[in-house]
Parts: sequence; C-alpha cells; structure tokens
Amino acid sequence: AQSVTQPDIHITVSEGASLELRCNYSYGATPYLFWYVQSPGQGLQLLLKYFSGDTLVQGIKGFEAEFKRSQSSFNLRKPSVHWSDAAEYFCAVGASTGTASKLTFGTGTRLQVTL
Amino acid sequence: DADVTQTPRNRITKTGKRIMLECSQTKGHDRMYWYRQDPGLGLQLIYYSFDVKDINKGEISDGYSVSRQAQAKFSLSLESAIPNQTALYFCATSDFLGSYTFGSGTRLTVV
Repeated sequence: AQSVTQPDIHITVSEGASLELRCNYSYGATPYLFWYVQSPGQGLQLLLKYFSGDTLVQGIKGFEAEFKRSQSSFNLRKPSVHWSDAAEYFCAVGASTGTASKLTFGTGTRLQVTL
Repeated sequence: DADVTQTPRNRITKTGKRIMLECSQTKGHDRMYWYRQDPGLGLQLIYYSFDVKDINKGEISDGYSVSRQAQAKFSLSLESAIPNQTALYFCATSDFLGSYTFGSGTRLTVV
C-alpha cells in the first residue's frame, strides 16, 4: 500500500520569498503524484499532477513540483509567494497499477504568508 | 453551478440521530468518494464507488453507510451519530487516473 509523508505541519514565509513544501511517498513502483490546495472554507483544488515523462511539472498559480525517484520525493515549489497563497497544501499518491484513482493523502502543510 | 455540490453545508445534530449528507456532480465521472477531514489527520477515505453498482469501504467506514443513487449522486449516512463523528466531510469525483474535483464540504457537529 502507498503512503505519503509531509514532514512540515506549518510553514511561514514572507511575501515575495521562495517556497518549497516537502512531500515523501512510499510505493513499490512509479506512482501517480498530486498536489492539492485547500483555502479556508473550501474544498481541495488540484494544483498539479505527475504521471510519467518530464519529472518537472508545472501547475496552476505559478507552482511547480519535481519528481525525484531516488529520494522518493515530490516537493512543491514557487519562486515568489503571494499573500493569496496562504492555504493548506496536500500531497497525494496514487497507484500506477490496479486502483489508480484511489489516492492516499498526506496530513497537509499549512502555509502562512507574512506581508 | 459547482461541479460537485454537497448539501447541507453545515449541520448540527444530536447523538443517536440518523443523518444523510448528499452529493451530486456534473463532471460525468463514474468515480465518487467520501472523505472525512480532521485537523492534523488529513483526509481519510470513508467509502468510494467506481460506478453505480460498485461500492467499497475505505479506511474508516465503521458507523457510516453510502448509497449510489445514480452516476451523479452519492450520499453518505450516519446511522446513529456520535460526537467523535464531528468533522468536515468532503465528497469528490475523479477520472480514472485520480484527478479529483472536490465539493466545498459539509461541516457536521454531533452534540
């Protein structure tokens, strides 16, 4: 069974600073990987996804993530954070064989942005 | 209109009462899910359905039941609500690869 670890519960960055949110996964083969964002009072919204091919994937709102098989990681990055990026971010992993769409979510990282 | 609509948005109910949370989607996907979110625990899968005739238990199905009334409708029931079922509940639908669309959630409080 797959699993996901987001080691940072809470991160604070200044507006305009760069951001990296960490995600480590456990899965026996190449997984499907996702990042979702949850704004207060809202459901989760898909930021980006990795299935295969280029290991650097671009998403919405200027976010990108890099799949590193050797480190079992899929870290989310943004070069310059905006105050509106304050939210909770969830990494998720899905199996590339069998029941692909049944995702396992991490426990989330809450991002606070200071002005 | 939202792609995934959950009703009600908020609900307070008493211990022992039966309650139903409803979900409908307009994405046209076959796959639908119910998740529970608690602070610090992320999302935990309650039930999932890959088509109208397919219902599967998730990680935390005890105390819950579901009904898939149509491709677009998937409801969650708490047969006899208890206080530790107080949580934020999300319905979602996905394509076969796992790109999910979530509803806005139902905040349930059991007193």
